Amino acid sequence: AQSVAQPEDQVNVAEGNPLTVKCTYSVSGNPYLFWYVQYPNRGLQFLLKYITGDNLVKGSYGFEAEFNKSQTSFHLKKPSALVSDSALYFCAVRDPGALTTDSWGKLQFGAGTQVVVTP
Amino acid sequence: NAGVTQTPKFQVLKTGQSMTLQCAQDMNHEYMSWYRQDPGMGLRLIHYSVGAGITDQGEVPNGYNVSRSTTEDFPLRLLSAAPSQTSVYFCASSYSTGTSGEQFFGPGTRLTVL
Repeated sequence: AQSVAQPEDQVNVAEGNPLTVKCTYSVSGNPYLFWYVQYPNRGLQFLLKYITGDNLVKGSYGFEAEFNKSQTSFHLKKPSALVSDSALYFCAVRDPGALTTDSWGKLQFGAGTQVVVTP
Repeated sequence: NAGVTQTPKFQVLKTGQSMTLQCAQDMNHEYMSWYRQDPGMGLRLIHYSVGAGITDQGEVPNGYNVSRSTTEDFPLRLLSAAPSQTSVYFCASSYSTGTSGEQFFGPGTRLTVL
């Protein structure tokens, strides 16, 4: 069974400093990995995904994530955080080994990490 | 495109009442799903559908029913509301094959059951 863990409930960072949000996963094969962001009272917005290829994936709003197969991690990063990056971030995984039609859309989400960027 | 729309945005129910949460998408996505979001638990899958006429249970289906009569619509029915169903509900959609399956989410419905 697939699973994903976000070990930090909250990450605090000063504006202009680097931001890292951690995610580790467990799947039976090579994973499809996603990051979503949720602003207050809004739905989830897609940030980026890793399917295959380059381990460093670039996404929206200046975010990037690094896939590390040996450490089963997919940490989200931003070189210089903005106050407007304050939000709830979710990591999600799909096990491509379970690509039957009925399992296609089944994403397993982490519990979420609240990011607080202070001016 | 409106994307994924959900109504209502807010709802308060009394224990035992029933209601339907509406979800619609205009992207011709085959796959649609319902999640509930509770603090510290991320999103949990309630029910999903891979196309019109086909639905299946997710991780937490008890107390909820769904149907999919058209590609566009995927309503979620609460049969007899309980306080444990107080949550924020999100509908999502995606293509079902040929892509990585990136999901598009609606704005959510905040439900309180008294």
